[in-house]
Amino acid sequence: LAKTTQPISMDSYEGQEVNITCSHNNIATNDYITWYQQFPSQGPRFIIQGYKTKVTNEVASLFIPADRKSSTLSLPRVSLSDTAVYYCLVPYYNQGGKLIFGQGTELSVKP
Amino acid sequence: EAGVVQSPRYKIIEKKQPVAFWCNPISGHNTLYWYLQNLGQGPELLIRYENEEAVDDSQLPKDRFSAERLKGVDSTLKIQPAELGDSAVYLCASSLSGVNTEAFFGQGTRLTVV
Repeated sequence: LAKTTQPISMDSYEGQEVNITCSHNNIATNDYITWYQQFPSQGPRFIIQGYKTKVTNEVASLFIPADRKSSTLSLPRVSLSDTAVYYCLVPYYNQGGKLIFGQGTELSVKP
Repeated sequence: EAGVVQSPRYKIIEKKQPVAFWCNPISGHNTLYWYLQNLGQGPELLIRYENEEAVDDSQLPKDRFSAERLKGVDSTLKIQPAELGDSAVYLCASSLSGVNTEAFFGQGTRLTVV
C-alpha cells in the first residue's frame, strides 16, 4: 500500500527557515501533493498544494522535483506559533484515491 | 463564510451505548469526509462522500459504524454500540469536489467511552 514518509519530528528556532521533506514514491499522474498543519484540539488546516516545480503562497513554498517522488515544504522565518504537526498528503489515484494522512512531522519552534 | 460545523464538540458515553455525530459542510462542497484521529496519530479516513454517494467506505467498521449524507449536504456518523476503543476525535471535512481539492476541516468531536 502506497504511503507518504516524513520525519517524525523537527526542532527549529525562531526566525529560521524550516524545510520538511516528504517521500511519496508511488505517486500517480493525477495526484496533487497537499500539505496541512494541525494544532492541538483543532482540525487540520490547508497550507499549500502543488503538482510540480514550485508553488508559493503567503505562508509557505512547496518544491517538487521533476520525478515528483518527493516534495519539500518550506516555511520561511518560523515563529513560535508555527509549532504544530505538518502532514503531507497524496491521494494515490492508482490505488483508489484516498486522502490518507501519515504520522506527520511534529515541528517544535524554540525562542 | 461559515466553515465546517460539527456537533457536539465533546461527548462522554458508557460503553455499549449509541452515539451520533453531526456535520454541516461548507455550502457548495460536494465531497465530504469523516476521519477518526487517535491521540498522537494522523487522521484515518472512515468514509468519503461525493454528493450523497458513499464512494469509499472501505475503512468504515460496518458492524458498528454507519453514516449517511441526506440530500448531499449534512452528514451523520453513528456508532452502535460504542466500545472503549472508539474513544477518539472524529473529524469531518469537506471540499469542492474530489480528493485533489483543498479540504476544510471542522473542529472535531471528542468522544470518550467509559
